[in-house]
Amino acid sequence: GQNIDQPTEMTATEGAIVQINCTYQTSGFNGLFWYQQHAGEAPTFLSYNVLDGLEEKGRFSSFLSRSKGYSYLLLKELQMKDSASYLCAVRHSGGYQKVTFGTGTKLQVIP
Amino acid sequence: EPEVTQTPSHQVTQMGQEVILRCVPISNHLYFYWYRQILGQKVEFLVSFYNNEISEKSEIFDDQFSVERPDGSNFTLKIRSTKLEDSAMYFCASRGEVSSYEQYFGPGTRLTVT
Repeated sequence: GQNIDQPTEMTATEGAIVQINCTYQTSGFNGLFWYQQHAGEAPTFLSYNVLDGLEEKGRFSSFLSRSKGYSYLLLKELQMKDSASYLCAVRHSGGYQKVTFGTGTKLQVIP
Repeated sequence: EPEVTQTPSHQVTQMGQEVILRCVPISNHLYFYWYRQILGQKVEFLVSFYNNEISEKSEIFDDQFSVERPDGSNFTLKIRSTKLEDSAMYFCASRGEVSSYEQYFGPGTRLTVT
């Protein structure tokens, strides 16, 4: 089966750094996505990790530990527009690449 | 920049009616997906489609659902007899070649069943 856990809500201050954690238990793991979703909108791609380690992309970084079933998304220099839900999603092995999403972490950035 | 488009943006229908949700994936993409998101809940996989056939489907995707790529550009999701619990946002996504990983999501169709 698949189980993806992430905190439901987080609050952080504009200009600060926030880390959103995700743990997963799944068969046939083939990579992990982070998506951003603003209310009423489609998910937009942030990052993808398949190997252990840190991937940095501007203000956003994502980390993966396959042995621990753990990932985090790090957001630096928070801006008000970063207020959104952040979805952790596991990509399954196999050619068709089914993706299972976690429930998402709603991040509120406050002044 | 190419994008996935979906129509309509909002569909209201009565319980028991059939609805067809339409998607135009990115033109050179090969893999197509439908997801749904009930208000306040997580994004859920419904079905994946490749080479004109369903490649994988979830337990949600029962006999009342069907997908089709009728003309080489559109990708449709049909719900034969809608139920109140089908009210949700439906997202279409597409992916390029075998080696690619990113799924590009459309803006979604909000389906309201009354």
